[in-house]
Amino acid sequence: GAVVSQHPSRVICKSGTSVKIECRSLDFQATTMFWYRQFPKQSLMLMATSNEGSKATYEQGVEKDKFLINHASLTLSTLTVTSAHPEDSSFYICSARGDSSRETQYFGPGTRLLVL
Amino acid sequence: GQQLNQSPQSMFIQEGEDVSMNCTSSSIFNTWLWYKQDPGEGPVLLIALYKAGELTSNGRLTAQFGITRKDSFLNISASIPSDVGIYFCAGPYGGATNKLIFGTGTLLAVQP
Repeated sequence: GAVVSQHPSRVICKSGTSVKIECRSLDFQATTMFWYRQFPKQSLMLMATSNEGSKATYEQGVEKDKFLINHASLTLSTLTVTSAHPEDSSFYICSARGDSSRETQYFGPGTRLLVL
Repeated sequence: GQQLNQSPQSMFIQEGEDVSMNCTSSSIFNTWLWYKQDPGEGPVLLIALYKAGELTSNGRLTAQFGITRKDSFLNISASIPSDVGIYFCAGPYGGATNKLIFGTGTLLAVQP
């Protein structure tokens, strides 16, 4: 149980285009999903917290107009990188959590984004 | 801001050796989590600790919640090649939202 999937697993796009990444909780309802970014040889950095039916909360320094998050259902959150630039190239990982405040976050397999 | 520092940064060991790594914080945490990340994958939870002083095992892995609540330790006994990866500690913050802050990571390489 507690499986989280991401799609696509990797994507290459041209500079200036937008890319959408999906995060799904496959066997549980996730009231909260989190989006992280990980640069090579670095740790995971939280970008935003996504709550079903409400606006996402972004961490300091993360542009909300550049990284659009939608959490329209209890099993799906999407991250859209708008007008992507080469510096947005990174490993994007989502996690999902159920209702309990103590419940662990379950992580997706990540999406590798390369912007040319 | 909060920081979780892990040491060592990397370890290169022989198969069969025991491994020990730690995680320290400048502030108190009420929960400590240890994750393993394989290359190109998301992190997988190994052990969760909820009480100061708690010692919890998961197979060959043992983790301890430091009494000061500012540190935690992870030990791996009799390492095997599939233990290779990056080990992260993590702690929740942000009140009810339980956001996670991740440590700097420890890279483990195991020589067969």
